[in-house]
Amino acid sequence: DTGVSQNPRHKITKRGQNVTFRCDPISEHNRLYWYRQTLGQGPEFLTYFQNEAQLEKSRLLSDRFSAERPKGSFSTLEIQRTEQGDSAMYLCASSLVGQGDTQYFGPGTRLTVL
Amino acid sequence: GESVGLHLPTLSVQEGDNSIINCAYSNSASDYFIWYKQESGKGPQFIIDIRSNMDKRQGQRVTVLLNKTVKHLSLQIAATQPGDSAVYFCAENIPGGFKTIFGAGTRLFVKA
Repeated sequence: DTGVSQNPRHKITKRGQNVTFRCDPISEHNRLYWYRQTLGQGPEFLTYFQNEAQLEKSRLLSDRFSAERPKGSFSTLEIQRTEQGDSAMYLCASSLVGQGDTQYFGPGTRLTVL
Repeated sequence: GESVGLHLPTLSVQEGDNSIINCAYSNSASDYFIWYKQESGKGPQFIIDIRSNMDKRQGQRVTVLLNKTVKHLSLQIAATQPGDSAVYFCAENIPGGFKTIFGAGTRLFVKA
């Protein structure tokens, strides 16, 4: 257990529905990252926050995806109008500037879009 | 382009033997490299890292070697145990950015 928690662990939804995932980072970590991982592949970067500011977004993050970190602590990732291609594991990681910026990952949320 | 890849998708070793997992990276500007272990149903777990000003770094039963000349990274696991069975990812950070670029992974099987 790295100290990063994600909820829910599994989500099954129908195409076209909206889903929201939550990530609680290690409490003192000021950086938070979202990744997407499909079977047999490494995680792909989606977006990154330093405190409450979203500093970088991947081109993978379409307009249907939005992420927030309103108080610089937990973060949410919302996917609107889900598509079958959104089925994947969504991973959250956090790090602390000044401590090598090593990222510690949560267990992930597995999304299945039917 | 920016990519991190692995030479072998799977590696099978006998319990007690040493394992070597290789990785090639393409961005010569990368200055920080990390190895992660991922077990089924779990997120990646940090194993060991190395900065570009080093060639070798050792941890508990693990050693990472960095060869910047050929842009090659390797992870050595000594006395491999069944609990080491997992997928191993190498990853790189590029200066000025905040994202970590992962390769596709190598699955390590440890035979008892």
